[in-house]
Amino acid sequence: GDSVTQMEGPVTLSEEAFLTINCTYTATGYPSLFWYVQYPGEGLQLLLKATKADDKGSNKGFEATYRKETTSFHLEKGSVQVSDSAVYFCALSKNFNKFYFGSGTKLNVKP
Amino acid sequence: SQTIHQWPATLVQPVGSPLSLECTVEGTSNPNLYWYRQAAGRGLQLLFYSVGIGQISSEVPQNLSASRPQDRQFILSSKKLLLSDSGFYLCAWSQPNYGYTFGSGTRLTVV
Repeated sequence: GDSVTQMEGPVTLSEEAFLTINCTYTATGYPSLFWYVQYPGEGLQLLLKATKADDKGSNKGFEATYRKETTSFHLEKGSVQVSDSAVYFCALSKNFNKFYFGSGTKLNVKP
Repeated sequence: SQTIHQWPATLVQPVGSPLSLECTVEGTSNPNLYWYRQAAGRGLQLLFYSVGIGQISSEVPQNLSASRPQDRQFILSSKKLLLSDSGFYLCAWSQPNYGYTFGSGTRLTVV
């Protein structure tokens, strides 16, 4: 079945460091791919998305490129801030209805 | 604009007591609605989804049930809570070509 695999956390970085959180997926057909962010004590918010191969989603300095050949959608940011500390979830959906989420990666950014 | 409300924000209930969590959506009609659970340190598990009034699909067998008495109202219930029902419960609705919007979540602790 369809699934998403994320790198395990926590990931601890110093402020202004480069961030990569790996995400790979398994799916038949052509899913859309998403990154959601969950700040402490809150629900999930959509961070960015890509709906077809080679699309790049971007928001708030974060980027991810839909790579069909490697079935990946890695999240990157060139310079993280303390305020980026949160849990990040990769997800896929084929019809914007049922979503499959990865297990989440906790990011801790230290000043 | 569309908004999603979920309450209560936190809840502490004794084992064996009933449960009712409510989720309402404003600013849209006939939304697809979802209940997810996030257990401590784990990812998101889809519990129920609904594509219309009275239409409920269950993803996993469990001690919980869901109902949709009105178009924009989705309720998660239990007759007798178990310790294992503790977790963070999230309601969501989906939009075509956009994906999920999540509520702020309910943290349930069963004691």
